[in-house]
Amino acid sequence: AQSVTQLDSHVSVSEGTPVLLRCNYSSSYSPSLFWYVQHPNKGLQLLLKYTSAATLVKGINGFEAEFKKSETSFHLTKPSAHMSDAAEYFCVVSTPFTGGGNKLTFGTGTQLKVEL
Amino acid sequence: ETGVTQSPTHLIKTRGQQVTLRCSSQSGHNTVSWYQQALGQGPQFIFQYYREEENGRGNFPPRFSGLQFPNYSSELNVNALELDDSALYLCASSFVRGDSQNEQYFGPGTRLTVT
Repeated sequence: AQSVTQLDSHVSVSEGTPVLLRCNYSSSYSPSLFWYVQHPNKGLQLLLKYTSAATLVKGINGFEAEFKKSETSFHLTKPSAHMSDAAEYFCVVSTPFTGGGNKLTFGTGTQLKVEL
Repeated sequence: ETGVTQSPTHLIKTRGQQVTLRCSSQSGHNTVSWYQQALGQGPQFIFQYYREEENGRGNFPPRFSGLQFPNYSSELNVNALELDDSALYLCASSFVRGDSQNEQYFGPGTRLTVT
């Protein structure tokens, strides 16, 4: 079974400093990985996805993630945090179904706090 | 382009009752998935509908059932509600072709409270 582990339940940064949210994955084959963000009382928004093309993936709002097979990691980074980045972030792995379709398995989430 | 919409936004039910939640998929999408998100946790996969049939199912009992309609909208039905069913129910749509693992786009969710 495929799974993801988010290594930090809470991360706090100052506005303007870099953000690092850590995620390790477990998969028996080359995985499809995603990062989603959830702002309070809102649905989930896709930040970026990795599907075995370039290992460095750029997403929306200045976020990017690097797929490292040797470390089984898919960490999310941003050079400079903004107050609006405060939210819950989920690392996600996709499992395909025979004949098409897929299910998403979510990590436990990392709550990002951005302070002035 | 219309995104994923869900109704109702909030719902309060009593233990033992039945509930139906509704979802309209994003324009151009042909697949709908449902997830349950308990407070403070990540979403858990309930099932997926593709070509109007259940395509895959997570670890949920049979009292969780669903439908997909020809216009790709979907319903989630839960019978014999239990207190632990209180959660945010999220619908997600995607476009499936072949064995592609496309991203899923989520609606705002329905907050179900069971008392």
